[in-house]
Amino acid sequence: AQSVTQLDSQVPVFEEAPVELRCNYSSSVSVYLFWYVQYPNQGLQLLLKYLSGSTLVKGINGFEAEFNKSQTSFHLRKPSVHISDTAEYFCAVIDTGGFKTIFGAGTRLFVKA
Amino acid sequence: EAGVVQSPRYKIIEKKQPVAFWCNPISGHNTLYWYRQNLGQGPELLIRYENEEAVDDSQLPKDRFSAERLKGVDSTLKIQPAELGDSAVYLCASSQRVGMNTEAFFGQGTRLTVV
Repeated sequence: AQSVTQLDSQVPVFEEAPVELRCNYSSSVSVYLFWYVQYPNQGLQLLLKYLSGSTLVKGINGFEAEFNKSQTSFHLRKPSVHISDTAEYFCAVIDTGGFKTIFGAGTRLFVKA
Repeated sequence: EAGVVQSPRYKIIEKKQPVAFWCNPISGHNTLYWYRQNLGQGPELLIRYENEEAVDDSQLPKDRFSAERLKGVDSTLKIQPAELGDSAVYLCASSQRVGMNTEAFFGQGTRLTVV
């Protein structure tokens, strides 16, 4: 069975500073990896995904993530955050043989002026 | 293209009352999911449909929860009777089964408060 651990429940950061949101997963099979963002009172929106190929994945809104198979990690980064990036971020995995998405508990990013 | 549509957005009911949520997936998406998201947690799958067939309902509390997807398009999730612990956001998502790319598109959710 797969599981996802988001190591930080909350990340406060000043505007224009860089940020990294950490995600580790466990799985006995190959997986696909996703990051979703959830703004207040909204559904989840896909930021980026890793299916295969280059381990550095670029997504929307200037976010990127790097798949590290040896460390079973998929950390999300942005070099300079904006106030509008304040939201909840969820890391998720799907095993390559199935269609069940397992979500982490989420990391609340709070960008301060 | 319209996204996943859910209604209602908010619902407040007294415990022991029934409640139903409705979801209309993106046109052409064969797979439909219902998730429950408790406060401060990630979504947890309740049930997954492939067309009109429920292929994974292992996490659905079948004593009080039921779901249907007649004709393989829109879907309804019902709770009867509701309990205080059912307060959560219920998210519907859909995906198009194209190869192994199973990106799910989410609706805005229904926030249920049981009092």
